[in-house]
Amino acid sequence: RKEVEQDPGPFNVPEGATVAFNCTYSNSASQSFFWYRQDCRKEPKLLMSVYSSGNEDGRFTAQLNRASQYISLLIRDSKLSDSATYLCVVNDDMRFGAGTRLTVKP
Amino acid sequence: GAVVSQHPSWVICKSGTSVKIECRSLDFQATTMFWYRQFPKQSLMLMATSNEGSKATYEQGVEKDKFLINHASLTLSTLTVTSAHPEDSSFYICSARDHPGGPQHFGDGTRLSIL
Repeated sequence: RKEVEQDPGPFNVPEGATVAFNCTYSNSASQSFFWYRQDCRKEPKLLMSVYSSGNEDGRFTAQLNRASQYISLLIRDSKLSDSATYLCVVNDDMRFGAGTRLTVKP
Repeated sequence: GAVVSQHPSWVICKSGTSVKIECRSLDFQATTMFWYRQFPKQSLMLMATSNEGSKATYEQGVEKDKFLINHASLTLSTLTVTSAHPEDSSFYICSARDHPGGPQHFGDGTRLSIL
């Protein structure tokens, strides 16, 4: 079983929609969780860390569910500029999965 | 803060050439740096983990004699692709973090094209 698994998508949503991605992890001792976004032909950029109590940054909300071993990213009021691949990173395992591809359409 | 500079951003060279890529943390000390490779429409693949002052740890299937990594200081790691061939053409990206468990910060990447 892979350490981290994500639904690769693609997710195609209209502008203004709310969309959520999950990322499951297998190591119950994992402590650090992050969401990155990667635009086509660019390097990944840190979107947000994920804290135990959940955290919000504008239209983005990240949550951690330790019991079910997954983290989630919720994007409200999607913008065209949100189109990208979203990657989760768990703990010290710096191997990235394929990510979840999001396309926001007008 | 947390800026990582990678140089060069684009390299085109002949087969058999060795290419050196630099990764610098500009405003923090990077105890650990990571080197990735990404082929078109594929995910990032971790090549090696580099700790300052020690030998890099290579992922399975990555030839350490082909991809030489040096992490001589807390702000600089280099990746040298030795005797590069067309199949080495890829997008190479470095990242750095200042403490275990912290987020990675990525350089802009280097597009390597071997003719």
